[in-house]
Formats: sequence, C-alpha cells, structure tokens
Amino acid sequence: EVYLLESGGGFVEPGGSLRLSCAASGFTFSNYPMNWVRQAPGKGLEWVSTIDTSDTYTFYADSMKGRFTISRDNSKNTLYLQMSSLRADDTAIYYCAKSGEYVTVAGTSKSPGLDSWGQGTLVSVSS
Amino acid sequence: DIQMTQSPSSVSASVGDRVTITCRASQGISSWLAWYQQKPGKAPKLLIYAASTLQTGVPSRFSGSGSGTDFTLTISSLQPEDFVTYYCQQLNSFPLTFGGGTKVEIK
Repeated sequence: EVYLLESGGGFVEPGGSLRLSCAASGFTFSNYPMNWVRQAPGKGLEWVSTIDTSDTYTFYADSMKGRFTISRDNSKNTLYLQMSSLRADDTAIYYCAKSGEYVTVAGTSKSPGLDSWGQGTLVSVSS
Repeated sequence: DIQMTQSPSSVSASVGDRVTITCRASQGISSWLAWYQQKPGKAPKLLIYAASTLQTGVPSRFSGSGSGTDFTLTISSLQPEDFVTYYCQQLNSFPLTFGGGTKVEIK
C-alpha cells in the first residue's frame, strides 16, 4: 500500500523559511514524479510544484517561483519542499502527492492524475 | 496558463438523485482531466483520470466524460457519503491547475 507522510510544518514569521519533507513507502519511489499541492484554510486546492523522477525537471506555480524549491532523494524515498520568503498567504495545509502511471492519449503520454496523497502538514505564516 | 472553471460551486440534492458537475478549460486539454473527491479534514482522493477512466476501487455510480475544453462528472445516484466536495484538475500542461471546487450538499 502506498504511504506518504509529510512533516516539517509549523508556525513561522513572514519572511521566514521552512523545509517540508514527505517520506514515501509502498511503491518504487524513484519511478514516479512527485508533487506538492496546498490548501489554504476553507479554500480550494492549489498545485504548488512537480518534480520528475530524477530531479532533472521541476515545475512551479507562478506565485512560488523563486521562493520554493522542490527536490527529492531517491535513496531515502523522500520528497522535499524548501520554502523561503514566506508570506501570510502561504498559510495552508501542504500535501505531497504521487503522480499516477503514465497513460497514452492521442499519441501523448503523461501522468493522468495524482493517485496517492499524504495526510498533509500545516504551515502557518504569521507575526 | 490554463484556467479551469468549475460549476456549480455548490449544489443541493437528495440521496438517490443524479448530479452533474461541469469543468471548462480556457483552452483545449485533450483528455488530460482528473476529478478528485475531498471529504472534510481529509486529503483529496482521485476518482477519475484521463477524463473518463474510473480509478480502481471507485464505485461505478461515478462517471466522467468530455474532451477538449468541456468535461462533466456525473454521480448517477447520490449516496450519503457522496455529500462532499469535488475538484477537477487539468494535467495537459504546467502549471497544473484545479477548478474552484463543487460542494454537494444535502437538500
């Protein structure tokens, strides 16, 4: 069974930094792209970042570019999110999520969804 | 960036009703559309991927359709555990984007 466990959340002042971790088990971690998704209190889901299997390609939401860095350690089956210059609107539950198996649609292969999620870790940014 | 417009934002229905939720992409995304269900205080759960493929273990009362820009999630006969929130997500291109969510409430 796939298991994802986030950690590292907590309270931080505006302008501060925090590093989230996501420990993965139950699947071959190095074979799948991984993602961070966040949800502000009472709000909808917001995609944060995606990393490919070998840490070669990374993608970010515009509001997080230059402030957040996604990385992974395949030897430790762990995903990370380094967050800096934190703002009040970064307050949210942060979920790590595994990309699903690639499928082919009209000749193009992609991951078609995020098929496993952790329970989330809360990040609160406040003075 | 591709914007995902989900409607309605909320819907009231009764057990046994048929409910349809729509998601419109600001540009064509082929069939790269996923639907998620989120219960209060829990992580989202993948229901449907590639617009119409049911994730393993998801009840057959859930179905998805569409391609290009217009997509629908249908729950054929609402069960008590289905009164929660649903999100669509496009996976055609980065940045990946979610719809705003639809809360299904008990009438």
